[in-house]
Amino acid sequence: DAKTTQPNSMESNEEEPVHLPCNHSTISGTDYIHWYRQLPSQGPEYVIHGLTSNVNNRMASLAIAEDRKSSTLILHRATLRDAAVYYCILRDRSNTGKLIFGQGTTLQVKP
Amino acid sequence: DGGITQSPKYLFRKEGQNVTLSCEQNLNHDAMYWYRQDPGQGLRLIYYSQIVNDFQKGDIAEGYSVSREKKESFPLTVTSAQKNPTAFYLCATSLAGFRNTIYFGEGSWLTVV
Repeated sequence: DAKTTQPNSMESNEEEPVHLPCNHSTISGTDYIHWYRQLPSQGPEYVIHGLTSNVNNRMASLAIAEDRKSSTLILHRATLRDAAVYYCILRDRSNTGKLIFGQGTTLQVKP
Repeated sequence: DGGITQSPKYLFRKEGQNVTLSCEQNLNHDAMYWYRQDPGQGLRLIYYSQIVNDFQKGDIAEGYSVSREKKESFPLTVTSAQKNPTAFYLCATSLAGFRNTIYFGEGSWLTVV
């Protein structure tokens, strides 16, 4: 299974943009890049996913490098509720579709 | 309401006992998954099932067992063979195929006393 590398922690100020990086140098051509986030004692929540092109939804944007070896999750205006652990995951391209989680990035948002 | 229901939220187990965690979904999803999370760590896959009456071991299946007799249900039994069962357990579901989003339940805390 292809692996991802994320910084252990990041800090942001409230209402400022946040860029969360993820490296996935061994990504395969059909691996989808998924982002989830998790609040303490809760199940992970889907944020966004993409394959090759940049993606936008109501929660965030996903910028994917042209060679697909890295990606960046962008929160346009961080709020205190965005403080969570963010996981960058390559979705298993076999039929099983299971998610392999790494350690994630703990995002702190300061008021 | 549609969704994933895990129960109980909190469970205490005596050493040597088997316990079963329930996971029910009414999303009509084919695939179901069980993950374990230790404090400060990421999630690790225990078992997964893509279809009724079939399931596969994940990365840490030893000491656990599952069944998939109905599409809606995927219970996880933590057996006495699991030496360090204290953890947060998460059930998840998705439509078949790797392009689909995986949805997680609220989790169950298991503590050995």
